Amino acid sequence: AQSVAQPEDQVNVAEGNPLTVKCTYSVSGNPYLFWYVQYPNRGLQFLLKYITGDNLVKGSYGFEAEFNKSQTSFHLKKPSALVSDSALYFCAVRTSSNTGKLIFGQGTTLQVKP
Amino acid sequence: SQTIHQWPATLVQPVGSPLSLECTVEGTSNPNLYWYRQAAGRGLQLLFYSVGIGQISSEVPQNLSASRPQDRQFILSSKKLLLSDSGFYLCAWSPLAGGTTYNEQFFGPGTRLTVL
Repeated sequence: AQSVAQPEDQVNVAEGNPLTVKCTYSVSGNPYLFWYVQYPNRGLQFLLKYITGDNLVKGSYGFEAEFNKSQTSFHLKKPSALVSDSALYFCAVRTSSNTGKLIFGQGTTLQVKP
Repeated sequence: SQTIHQWPATLVQPVGSPLSLECTVEGTSNPNLYWYRQAAGRGLQLLFYSVGIGQISSEVPQNLSASRPQDRQFILSSKKLLLSDSGFYLCAWSPLAGGTTYNEQFFGPGTRLTVL
């Protein structure tokens, strides 16, 4: 069965410091991985995706993610955090069907303090 | 460009009352459509998805139902709401999947439902 795990409920980081939000996955076949961000009482916004190719994927708002096949991980990173990055972050993996269904992790709350 | 709309934005309903939430997508054709529920601001639960008009797949058995009367319209309904139906309901769309397309989903702004 395919699954996604986000091991941290919350990540705290000081503004200006680098941030990492962790994600590990379990899939049969090639993984297609996504990161989304959600601000309070809003829908999810797409940040980036890994389909194939370069293991370092760059996305919106200065975020990037590193795909590591041997560790089955897809961690979200940003070199310098902003207070406005504080939000709920979701990792997702696409199922193998042609329905386009995604399996989401439970989410990680990122708190960036001034 | 494509946009996705949901309404209402907020809804307060008594237990046992009916429900109808609407989602529409503009600027695309033949999208895959999805309904999610998010409880307590955390994980997303996929409720229904649709790959075409009249084609609905249910992920979780419950007192909710979904319909797709038009290509870009997706409706979530209930005949009698339960307290446990409270939550944040999100509609999403993705381009028609198949072959080697691995597209992301695009989410609407959501509907906050409170059942009292």
